[in-house]
Amino acid sequence: KNQVEQSPQSLIILEGKNCTLQCNYTVSPFSNLRWYKQDTGRGPVSLTIMTFSENTKSNGRYTATLDADTKQSSLHITASQLSDSASYICVVSAQGGGADGLTFGKGTHLIIQP
Amino acid sequence: DAGVIQSPRHEVTEMGQEVTLRCKPISGHDYLFWYRQTMMRGLELLIYFNNNVPIDDSGMPEDRFSAKMPNASFSTLKIQPSEPRDSAVYFCASSLAPSIQYYGYTFGSGTRLTVV
Repeated sequence: KNQVEQSPQSLIILEGKNCTLQCNYTVSPFSNLRWYKQDTGRGPVSLTIMTFSENTKSNGRYTATLDADTKQSSLHITASQLSDSASYICVVSAQGGGADGLTFGKGTHLIIQP
Repeated sequence: DAGVIQSPRHEVTEMGQEVTLRCKPISGHDYLFWYRQTMMRGLELLIYFNNNVPIDDSGMPEDRFSAKMPNASFSTLKIQPSEPRDSAVYFCASSLAPSIQYYGYTFGSGTRLTVV
């Protein structure tokens, strides 16, 4: 069964600090992995997408890594800001999975304290 | 484009009442999805449409749930009768084919449903 596990479930850090969120998956065959940011009261918004051949991808202060061998991904946030407070959801697509071939993690709830 | 538009943003209803959630996808998007999000289970796919046709409704919890897409710019998700366990945030999302897995989804802001 395809699964996506995220850790930690929640995280509190001080403004300006860095943090790393983890995503482990068992989806096979793998197509791509996407990180979404979900602000409170809003829908998820895509941050990055990574395919099998990509190891690192950055989007401003967000850097995602992918290790397809160990089936792990991480999202690193540098110099955190209050606006980074949100839930971060890891979503993995299976090859040939079609429009519904996505497996969602339950997310990491990140709180940035001033 | 205004993005995916959902209404209402919040709905509080009594158990047994009918609830209708509405969604306007992004113009030109071929796919429309309805998701339910809870703390315990995260995001769950309920049903999705391709060119207004329901493709997979295996995620719909039971017969109390129904969804329609009468045209390319409008979809509804109906719960009748509603129960307290239906309380959740319901998201509508749309996407552009054919490389849907690469394009990803654009989500609406959701409808927070509370059934008391």
